[in-house]
Amino acid sequence: GAGVSQSPSNKVTEKGKDVELRCDPISGHTALYWYRQSLGQGLEFLIYFQGNSAPDKSGLPSDRFSAERTGGSVSTLTIQRTQQEDSAVYLCASSLADYTNYGYTFGSGTRLTVV
Amino acid sequence: AQSVTQPDIHITVSEGASLELRCNYSYGATPYLFWYVQSPGQGLQLLLKYFSGDTLVQGIKGFEAEFKRSQSSFNLRKPSVHWSDAAEYFCAVGGGSNYKLTFGKGTLLTVNP
Repeated sequence: GAGVSQSPSNKVTEKGKDVELRCDPISGHTALYWYRQSLGQGLEFLIYFQGNSAPDKSGLPSDRFSAERTGGSVSTLTIQRTQQEDSAVYLCASSLADYTNYGYTFGSGTRLTVV
Repeated sequence: AQSVTQPDIHITVSEGASLELRCNYSYGATPYLFWYVQSPGQGLQLLLKYFSGDTLVQGIKGFEAEFKRSQSSFNLRKPSVHWSDAAEYFCAVGGGSNYKLTFGKGTLLTVNP
């Protein structure tokens, strides 16, 4: 596609429920990143996928968070047993294998509210 | 570990005035530096980047930034601000084979008419 697409754009869920957030990267971009943006906290790295390599999961805050990337394209971030502190904007970005030429391209994010 | 500090949480300027947003970084090798802008409800858009060469880089929307290694800084500037520049601005650092960009906490820019 022309840009990074994320869905849903907004999600309200009850505490304790599971949620899935989807990211469709730019076609041809082999690298995909998930970041979390909390109010006043900047962007927090969550996970990184590059081609067929094992993902870098070092930023996932707890074992309630997981992500997968199918066929080297679409990625899904899953949060199990959501808590109120999970409320944030979840941003997905993609890039060419070498991001240095163009940086990341970000999607518009999914705003997650846990009530 | 790499880090980015944006000392100003919120800046207010008048339309037509000049702007400078500060960014200080910590990185053990030659850094790759970026400035992104985020309008409300939108993702982040790349304004400009520095990898090597000329330390003054030009970006989109009339922005420029200067890399000063001795000060570990990469400040963003614009000579004359427009109302449409009101947004949040993020500085980020990465480098070499390190694919993970580290972002500052952002500076919110308000533009008064």
